[in-house]
Amino acid sequence: QVHLVESGGGVVQPGGSLRLSCAASGFTFSNYGMHWVRQAPGKGLEWMASIRYDGSNKYYADSVKGRFTISRDNSKNTLYLQMNSLRAEDTAVYYCAKEGANRDLDYWGQGTLVTVSS
Amino acid sequence: QSALTQPRSVSGSPGQSVTISCTGTSSDVGGYNYVSWYQHHPGKAPKLMIYDVNKRPSGVPARFSGSESGNTASLTISGLQTEDEADYYCCSYAGSYTWVFGGGTKLTVL
Repeated sequence: QVHLVESGGGVVQPGGSLRLSCAASGFTFSNYGMHWVRQAPGKGLEWMASIRYDGSNKYYADSVKGRFTISRDNSKNTLYLQMNSLRAEDTAVYYCAKEGANRDLDYWGQGTLVTVSS
Repeated sequence: QSALTQPRSVSGSPGQSVTISCTGTSSDVGGYNYVSWYQHHPGKAPKLMIYDVNKRPSGVPARFSGSESGNTASLTISGLQTEDEADYYCCSYAGSYTWVFGGGTKLTVL
């Protein structure tokens, strides 16, 4: 079955950087678009970034554009999120999600917590 | 990229029905038939409940149904069960390979 496992979260100072990973299994990773979605404490889900199945195109929410970079390595079945210039408001649980056939997010990981604090 | 509008909370008794609304614009909800709904129990992975406005993935009970009128989508849960208590989020494709979520609705089963 589909399995997505995020890793790389932790505590980082404002202005710092962090790279999240999402290991995928149970499906042909290279055939599907992938997404990052986050949830700040006490807040709702926020779509952040997406990447096409082959990595050819990447798209971002305005809140992270220019600071975050989504990428993938289809040979390793892994999705990444490079986060730079982190701010306190980036504190959240970060989820990776697989895109389904109908512009939906049909499978999600359990999330990894990123805390931006001095 | 403004969030879709959902009620903060809804409630119902076991066996009753509840409906959660999700209002967007002609650039998202009203512009595409790509509204999906997610159930989220705190600390767990969100789960897809409805896609394409009104379709249920395999394994999702028929008690869950979706609809849309204009720029507003709705999720209806019939025959409420205690395990339905969770946060529910709508999501719409918004063009140019971007998506937007609603603010979320907390469902309480009394």
